[in-house]
Amino acid sequence: SAVISQKPSRDICQRGTSLTIQCQVDSQVTMMFWYRQQPGQSLTLIATANQGSEATYESGFVIDKFPISRPNLTFSTLTVSNMSPEDSSIYLCSVEDGDRPVEQYFGPGTRLTVT
Amino acid sequence: AQSVTQLDSQVPVFEEAPVELRCNYSSSVSVYLFWYVQYPNQGLQLLLKYLSGSTLVKGINGFEAEFNKSQTSFHLRKPSVHIRDTAEYFCAVRENNNAGNMLTFGGGTRLMVKP
Repeated sequence: SAVISQKPSRDICQRGTSLTIQCQVDSQVTMMFWYRQQPGQSLTLIATANQGSEATYESGFVIDKFPISRPNLTFSTLTVSNMSPEDSSIYLCSVEDGDRPVEQYFGPGTRLTVT
Repeated sequence: AQSVTQLDSQVPVFEEAPVELRCNYSSSVSVYLFWYVQYPNQGLQLLLKYLSGSTLVKGINGFEAEFNKSQTSFHLRKPSVHIRDTAEYFCAVRENNNAGNMLTFGGGTRLMVKP
């Protein structure tokens, strides 16, 4: 399975600022996904990012708030813009396994606290 | 649209006892089913999956799950749990069609293994 790393692992940010989260994969993958896990909650898909095209956002998430870049087949970034305490969550990226495309593998997550 | 229900938010159990974590899903098409585990302060790890074929699937760490199409269930079981199994467990479903790659997660079940 793919090995996925995220930076930063955690951060504490002030209201109104923005944070960019990086996701790096050790192999080339077509599809990358960004999820949010609010405290004590399950995972919710924010968007799907394919290399060379605009990210596809799920209902309730918009590009202005969560801009995503996907410059190549091993890297993606998610920015959380104009943060408020409600954005305090764990943000996880995941990828589909190239050999077993039905399966998704997850990074360790970025724990964000907004004060 | 698919949905997943994990009937128990918390399951306390003594070490070496058997455990079953329940998962029911709803979908208008056939599905792929997954169980993920999240240890404290970590990302998600794939435990096992059902794609097709035998309805009893075995995963890592001694876990297994059985797909029951008539009851739309995919319960996770382990005959004898260890303290290290204490974690959050998520059931997830993905529709078996070409409409997309979206994973829908249940609310999670916190397994608490007591000595």
